[in-house]
Amino acid sequence: AQSVTQPDIHITVSEGASLELRCNYSYGATPYLFWYVQSPGQGLQLLLKYFSGDTLVQGIKGFEAEFKRSQSSFNLRKPSVHWSDAAEYFCAVAPSNSGGSNYKLTFGKGTLLTVNP
Amino acid sequence: KAGVTQTPRYLIKTRGQQVTLSCSPISGHRSVSWYQQTPGQGLQFLFEYFSETQRNKGNFPGRFSGRQFSNSRSEMNVSTLELGDSALYLCASSLTSGGDITYEQYFGPGTRLTVT
Repeated sequence: AQSVTQPDIHITVSEGASLELRCNYSYGATPYLFWYVQSPGQGLQLLLKYFSGDTLVQGIKGFEAEFKRSQSSFNLRKPSVHWSDAAEYFCAVAPSNSGGSNYKLTFGKGTLLTVNP
Repeated sequence: KAGVTQTPRYLIKTRGQQVTLSCSPISGHRSVSWYQQTPGQGLQFLFEYFSETQRNKGNFPGRFSGRQFSNSRSEMNVSTLELGDSALYLCASSLTSGGDITYEQYFGPGTRLTVT
């Protein structure tokens, strides 16, 4: 069964500092990979996705993520964090070889980001 | 284009009651998925519907059920509510091509269900 691990439950950074959120997955083949963000009381917003091709993907709000097959990782980065980035971040995977027959997102437990002024 | 909408946004029910939640997908999206989010278990997949058929199901008891209508709108129902059913229920819709999901899922704001 596929699984997603986000090792950091809570991260605190200062505004303007760089950010890296870790994500590791367990899956037999390369899955589709996603990062979502959730602000308090809100649904999930897609930040970026990796399906295939270039392993460095750019997303919205200045975020990027790098897929490393050898490490089964898909870490999220941002060079300079803004106070509005404070939220909970979820890494997710979906099987890439199933079409519609077995499609579901499996999420990590999330990383809560606090931004200090 | 309007996003995924869910109604109601908040709901308080008593143990033993049943509840129905509604989800309207983005126009043109035919796949609708449901997720339960709780502090303890995180985000868990409930089920996915396409063309009025449930294609995928997560590990939830039979008290959790759903359906999809011909206009792709979906409802989920929870019968005989338990305290542990208190959660944020999220709906997501996806584009499909020939029945295969080819794009990412777009989430609604969720329905916050509290069971007392």
